[in-house]
Amino acid sequence: EAGVAQSPRYKIIEKRQSVAFWCNPISGHATLYWYQQILGQGPKLLIQFQNNGVVDDSQLPKDRFSAERLKGVDSTLKIQPAKLEDSAVYLCASSLDYYNSGEQYFGPGTRLTVT
Amino acid sequence: EDQVTQSPEALRLQEGESSSLNCSYTVSGLRGLFWYRQDPGKGPEFLFTLYSAGEEKEKERLKATLTKKESFLHITAPKPEDSATYLCAVGAGNNRKLIWGLGTSLAVNP
Repeated sequence: EAGVAQSPRYKIIEKRQSVAFWCNPISGHATLYWYQQILGQGPKLLIQFQNNGVVDDSQLPKDRFSAERLKGVDSTLKIQPAKLEDSAVYLCASSLDYYNSGEQYFGPGTRLTVT
Repeated sequence: EDQVTQSPEALRLQEGESSSLNCSYTVSGLRGLFWYRQDPGKGPEFLFTLYSAGEEKEKERLKATLTKKESFLHITAPKPEDSATYLCAVGAGNNRKLIWGLGTSLAVNP
């Protein structure tokens, strides 16, 4: 079974530039999550989708971050404009459904460096 | 406020030296406690789910236990390949949102 795919793996941009991350979850998984993880900390949930609807985006900085999950499969997370404090690893995860949200499968992450 | 605290922050063991990691929590409406392992440069990998006090789960050298206020991850006779960060998360409330701890960084020396 193929795992969660993410791209790119690494990205370096200057502040005020924009960047986009892509995620393809495990086939058949209805729930998709985007997390931000800063070194030495646990993952911080940015947004959770159930199929193509948003379940929780309470910690998403909506003035600069946006995410979509068209057709309930792939998802894209965008940052525009980026700030220095956005430097982190962005993780995508998926779970079978909402009721199995504790058993999540993570992709390898995208390491973003904002200079 | 829902909170998950892991201790110690870092642990260094000799190969074969058993120990335990702790995850204490205060949440309203516990919807399960989950252990993950994270290797450098990778996303977390799911290990265990615990739902009820007294429940135990085992996988190779790892055993997770749960009480009403905390969970322990026991590592028996660890090997260097067990070196990783171990993350604890709890599901809270009706929306089953995961509250994550900061993790315990485990290093096992040969």
